[in-house]
Amino acid sequence: AAGVIQSPRHLIKEKRETATLKCYPIPRHDTVYWYQQGPGQDPQFLISFYEKMQSDKGSIPDRFSAQQFSDYHSELNMSSLELGDSALYFCASSPPRGPNYQETQYFGPGTRLLVL
Amino acid sequence: RKEVEQDPGPFNVPEGATVAFNCTYSNSASQSFFWYRQDCRKEPKLLMSVYSSGNEDGRFTAQLNRASQYISLLIRDSKLSDSATYLCVVRLSGGYNKLIFGAGTRLAVHP
Repeated sequence: AAGVIQSPRHLIKEKRETATLKCYPIPRHDTVYWYQQGPGQDPQFLISFYEKMQSDKGSIPDRFSAQQFSDYHSELNMSSLELGDSALYFCASSPPRGPNYQETQYFGPGTRLLVL
Repeated sequence: RKEVEQDPGPFNVPEGATVAFNCTYSNSASQSFFWYRQDCRKEPKLLMSVYSSGNEDGRFTAQLNRASQYISLLIRDSKLSDSATYLCVVRLSGGYNKLIFGAGTRLAVHP
């Protein structure tokens, strides 16, 4: 079965640079979530989108922005990168609500960002 | 204080052992409960949802006590392949809400 796709899988940037992470949800999933997992930490929620609109916001820095496009893929834009932004960034998707709805979030393999 | 608290472990157990993990959550608005499994440097994968009546999936049994705001996971007949970090996860009521993760409990199953 198709899973959540994230690109790139690995990314190395320098301080103050910008980065764009992409997420392609499971087909027919309409909600996308972004999480950040620092070394030795649990995943922390950043932001989510439902039907191309922001649906929830967590601990996302002002330097970051995100959006969901008409094909439901999402991009996380990160500017003025700092050393502390080095982390695994996971995208998750969940299916539309309806009969037999299961609220499970399915995670992509993540993008490992290293800021030097 | 974290919203979801877990014993970080590690739990080192021999193959075939039974091991139990506990988790407490602080927000009474928590509506949905899950156990996720995460292998090193990989994405979290849903192990099972947790229901008030308790539920079982093969060697795995999950329990929820809403009054005590307590969740548990029991693994019977541990396999080497069960070695991973087990994340206790809650979701608040309403909308398309985020998952709130515990810090995870590490399990190492040895021969």
